[in-house]
Amino acid sequence: EVQLVESGGGLVQPGGSLRLSCAASGFTFSSYWMSWVRQAPGKGLEWVANIKQDGSEKYYVDSVKGRFTISRDNAKNSLYLQMNSLRAEDTAVYYCARDRAYSTVTQAGYYFDYWGQGTLVTVSS
Amino acid sequence: QSVLTQPPSVSGAPGQRVTISCTGSSSNIGAGYDVHWYQQLPGTAPKLLIYGNSNRPSGVPDRFSGSKSGTSASLAITGLQAEDEADYYCQSYDSSLSGPGVFGGGTKLTVL
Repeated sequence: EVQLVESGGGLVQPGGSLRLSCAASGFTFSSYWMSWVRQAPGKGLEWVANIKQDGSEKYYVDSVKGRFTISRDNAKNSLYLQMNSLRAEDTAVYYCARDRAYSTVTQAGYYFDYWGQGTLVTVSS
Repeated sequence: QSVLTQPPSVSGAPGQRVTISCTGSSSNIGAGYDVHWYQQLPGTAPKLLIYGNSNRPSGVPDRFSGSKSGTSASLAITGLQAEDEADYYCQSYDSSLSGPGVFGGGTKLTVL
């Protein structure tokens, strides 16, 4: 059974830092791209960052570029999100998710097939 | 303002059929990229409901179905049940953005 378990959330002051972790099990972690997706209180879903299987490619939403860093440790089956210079607008539940991408002659798509339970990050003084 | 547009809310009585629309543009759905749907029950994480426009993951009841046409997609739920009350999000890929996934704003389904 695929499981993704996030940890590391909490209350942090504006300008502070936090490191989120996601422990993966039930699948070959090193074979999949992985993402962080967040959801502000009462709001919709927003993709934040993703990372290639070997960590050689990383992508970020514009609003976190230069402040957040995604990384992974395939030996530990773990995904991380280092968040620096946090702002009030970063307050959200952060989910880790497994990426699935495909491209054929007739179809192309990218989706998230498994999600963790989420960890709440609150940025407030 | 979400890249994909969904109605904020829909409602239906038990047993009825409801549909949720998802409207995109020429850089996402209209460009041929597939649409995927997620269900988020109250207080829980999103769960994949439909992938590749119309495919259901194992365990998803066939009461849920998806379709896509032009720059839009739809999620249909037949035989509405109380446990279907949730938020539903569509998602696709957008070639004009750096990320792999753009989401709709979400639709709250209320079972009357």
